[in-house]
Amino acid sequence: QSALTQPRSVSGSPGQSVTISCTGTSSDVGGHNYVSWYQQHPGKAPKLMIYDVTKRPSGVPDRFSGSKSGNTASLTISGLQAEDEADYYCCSYAGSYTWVFGGGTELTVL
Amino acid sequence: EVQLVESGGGLVQPGGSLRLSCAASGFIFSGYWMHWVRQAPGRGLVWVSRLNNDGSSTSYADSVKGRFTISRENAENTLYLQMNSLRAEDTAVYYCVRVGLGGFDAFDIWGQGTVVTVSS
Repeated sequence: QSALTQPRSVSGSPGQSVTISCTGTSSDVGGHNYVSWYQQHPGKAPKLMIYDVTKRPSGVPDRFSGSKSGNTASLTISGLQAEDEADYYCCSYAGSYTWVFGGGTELTVL
Repeated sequence: EVQLVESGGGLVQPGGSLRLSCAASGFIFSGYWMHWVRQAPGRGLVWVSRLNNDGSSTSYADSVKGRFTISRENAENTLYLQMNSLRAEDTAVYYCVRVGLGGFDAFDIWGQGTVVTVSS
C-alpha cells in the first residue's frame, strides 16, 4: 500500500492550463478505472473533483478534467482561476477493497 | 442537507483507545458504503478503512489492521471507528467519508474531521 506519486508542487498563471500527474502501478492506477481526484483548501475537508478517471460530479466546473494512460493518471485544470489554488490529491482503488492516495500536489496560481 | 459530523477525537496516551463516531443526516445512510480517511498534521490524505452498507464486509490499511475496527449502526445513522493500541503515528484528523454517485471510488461527502492526538 505505497502512496501514489504526485509532484510536490505545480504552478500556473490565471487563464493557463496545468496538469497534475499521479503515478502508481499495475496493481492500482493501471489495473482499475477507479481513479478520483480531490481538492483541499487549507483547513477544509477535501472535495471530490473527478471520479472513475474522467467523470465530473455535478457542480464541478468543466475546466477540470481527468485522464489515464497506463499506470499514470492526470488531472488537467484549464483556464486557471485564483480560487483553484489548493492542494490536490489523487486516489486509486488498489484491489482487495483497499484504496491508496497520492502524496498531494500544491497548486499555486501566480 | 447531506451531512456527516464526526466526534470522539481527543488526546490519548500511547497504547490507549478511542472510539470515533460519525453521525449521518440528509440521506439514506444504510444505502451507502462508508470509509475513514486520515490526515496527519501537514501531511497528505491516507485511506484507513472501509465498510459496506450493511456492515458485513470490512477492509483496512495495513498500518491499522488488527488495531482498528470499523462498524456501523444503520438504525442510528452512525459510523464508528474503534481505535486500540494507539501510536504516535496515528495522530491525525480523521474524516468520515461517504461513497456516492454510484461510483466505487467517488468519496463524495466528507465530514469536517475530528482530531486525534496520541501523546504522553
